[in-house]
Amino acid sequence: EIVLTQSPVTLSLSPGERATLSCRASQSFSTTYLAWYQQKPGQAPRLLIHGASSRATGIPDRFSGSGSGTDFTLTISSLEPEDSAVYYCQQCGGALTFGGGTKVEIK
Amino acid sequence: QLQLQESGPGLVKPSETLSLTCPVSGGSIDRNSYYWGWIRQPPGKGLEWIGSIYYDGSTYYNPSLERRVTISVDTSKNQFSLKLTSVTAADTAVYYCTRHVRVLEWVGYMDVWGKGTTVTVSS
Repeated sequence: EIVLTQSPVTLSLSPGERATLSCRASQSFSTTYLAWYQQKPGQAPRLLIHGASSRATGIPDRFSGSGSGTDFTLTISSLEPEDSAVYYCQQCGGALTFGGGTKVEIK
Repeated sequence: QLQLQESGPGLVKPSETLSLTCPVSGGSIDRNSYYWGWIRQPPGKGLEWIGSIYYDGSTYYNPSLERRVTISVDTSKNQFSLKLTSVTAADTAVYYCTRHVRVLEWVGYMDVWGKGTTVTVSS
C-alpha cells in the first residue's frame, strides 16, 4: 500500500497570500495517478486536480498542482476567504489511498 | 448533470450488516469510462477508500476491508450498492458514493460525489 503523508497539518495564512501544501508518498508512482480534493465542513470532497497538475472543470486557476515521483505539491497562488477547507491528496497507482489532509485557515 | 445520492439505514447494530444503495441519475452506469465506488470518513477523521465496481461487475476492494465488503451493480436500475458485514463502532462514518474516472484501465480519481450519509453503529 502506498502511504501518503501531507504537511503541514494546519496552515494559517491571510487573504492574498500563497499556500503551499505538500504530499509525500512512501514509494514512487506516475503523476497520472495523483489527485487533490478540497473538503469544506459538512460537505463532500470536491475534485481540484487530477494527473498531478490538471485542473478539474470549473476550478479557478489560482489552484495548481505539481510534482513527480514521491513529492507532490498543491499551490493556491492567492488565497481567498472561500479557500478555507481541508485539502487531501489521493493516489490510484494501486489500492486507492488518501493523505491525512492539510487544514487551511484564513486569518 | 450526473447526480449520486446514498440511501440506507442511519443506524446499524454491532455485528450486523450495513447496506447502502446509490442510484445514479442524469447518466448511465454502464459507461465504459467510469468505475463506481464507496468512500467513508469517520467523524473528525480522513477519507478511506472502501472499494469500487465496473459496470460489468468487476470489483476492487481495499485490502483492509476486503473480507467484509461486497459491492454490486444493477444496470437495470442504474444503481450500485455496498454491503459491509460484522460492523463495529469503528465502522461509524459518513459514507459517500462516488464516480471514478477510469485511468489507464484502472480505478482512478473521483470526479462526482454523493452528499454522503451518516451511518452510526450502536446498539
